[in-house]
Amino acid sequence: GAVVSQHPSRVICKSGTSVKIECRSLDFQATTMFWYRQFPKKSLMLMATSNEGSKATYEQGVEKDKFLINHASLTLSTLTVTSAHPEDSSFYICSAREAAGGITDTQYFGPGTRLTVL
Amino acid sequence: GEDVEQSLFLSVREGDSSVINCTYTDSSSTYLYWYKQEPGAGLQLLTYIFSNMDMKQDQRLTVLLNKKDKHLSLRIADTQTGDSAIYFCAETGPGGGYNKLIFGAGTRLAVHP
Repeated sequence: GAVVSQHPSRVICKSGTSVKIECRSLDFQATTMFWYRQFPKKSLMLMATSNEGSKATYEQGVEKDKFLINHASLTLSTLTVTSAHPEDSSFYICSAREAAGGITDTQYFGPGTRLTVL
Repeated sequence: GEDVEQSLFLSVREGDSSVINCTYTDSSSTYLYWYKQEPGAGLQLLTYIFSNMDMKQDQRLTVLLNKKDKHLSLRIADTQTGDSAIYFCAETGPGGGYNKLIFGAGTRLAVHP
């Protein structure tokens, strides 16, 4: 089946630093990738939709200058948390959709990245 | 706006059936999904159902959809300890856009001997 990887799986950083998280589709091309944030014992909240070669579409309330998304190729999207603060600590999960535009196209999820900002 | 609700916790004995329930508000939802999340991991798609279906069965999993009441359930037959996880209900469709999955808070299933 389709596999999505994320790197790193866990990162601890100091307040004020920037952290980059990678999301890769390993055996398929993903024209669309999604970034979610999951709070403890809470649901996943969609942060942004990332389309290859174009600017990401951010959900309401998500700061685009804070969470920089780049989808430079059909297999890689990156999320950079800039000037991270403790409130940015969370579990970040990406997903990738295999084909473009189809209604039934499934989103395949990565294993997630646990970010802890001290 | 769209909203998906689930009970937060379910405990069952190994070998029994588990039924996880979900309600949603967007009547225009086209697809409804069940995802499984094991500790520290991402989400695994278990099954999905199209809104014009009432039931879908896949081995031990049975999905029931009551579109009138906007109620979705996932039944796991012969529940095993490996089924212990968090189960998320999600919807997508014209209301939220086909891109956007709206998730419930997840139901934590605990299976005990």
